[in-house]
Amino acid sequence: DQQVKQNSPSLSVQEGRISILNCDYTNSMFDYFLWYKKYPAEGPTFLISISSIKDKNEDGRFTVFLNKSAKHLSLHIVPSQPGDSAVYFCAATTDNYGQNFVFGPGTRLSVLP
Amino acid sequence: DTGVSQDPRHKITKRGQNVTFRCDPISEHNRLYWYRQTLGQGPEFLTYFQNEAQLEKSRLLSDRFSAERPKGSFSTLEIQRTEQGDSAMYLCASSSWTGGEETQYFGPGTRLLVL
Repeated sequence: DQQVKQNSPSLSVQEGRISILNCDYTNSMFDYFLWYKKYPAEGPTFLISISSIKDKNEDGRFTVFLNKSAKHLSLHIVPSQPGDSAVYFCAATTDNYGQNFVFGPGTRLSVLP
Repeated sequence: DTGVSQDPRHKITKRGQNVTFRCDPISEHNRLYWYRQTLGQGPEFLTYFQNEAQLEKSRLLSDRFSAERPKGSFSTLEIQRTEQGDSAMYLCASSSWTGGEETQYFGPGTRLLVL
């Protein structure tokens, strides 16, 4: 029973366009969400996070949107660059449950030059 | 801040052998986590420490697995009598947690192949 789902295993986007990666969760106790990026042969790298008290958080080219009622979050990358090609993981946890991050299966993003 | 380091980066072993992995967290981070990742999946939680205390273990962590963090700094993960199903990437992460929201920072992982 996957509590965090990323239903698109892969996504291809042209350089300069917007990349939108989606994540759905089932546990309504989750109140803190993170996106990690992973290159081959490396560990996941923290990208951006959002607390459930917000519906949007922005950091440079990266913006995360949270829709609590739909239990859905998305990561927007604008403009997409070839260096953004990686696997992106969505993770969820709670303030009081911080020891157990639950990760989605990941979406492989390919940004085409 | 040199980041989380893990050693070795790769390990090939024969079924039935014991293996031990080491993780050095970011200095001053009080929490340290172990995860396992298999192909096409996200990291799965195994266990975590707050300082030297092991506070939670996943059901994924069979009794062949043991983890320690003796001085609240580096940690080791040992797998006894390895099985082919143990083949995976073992990831370590650390965080500085003082309550509330927490961000974990990952090491590069140790890739284990059991033949």
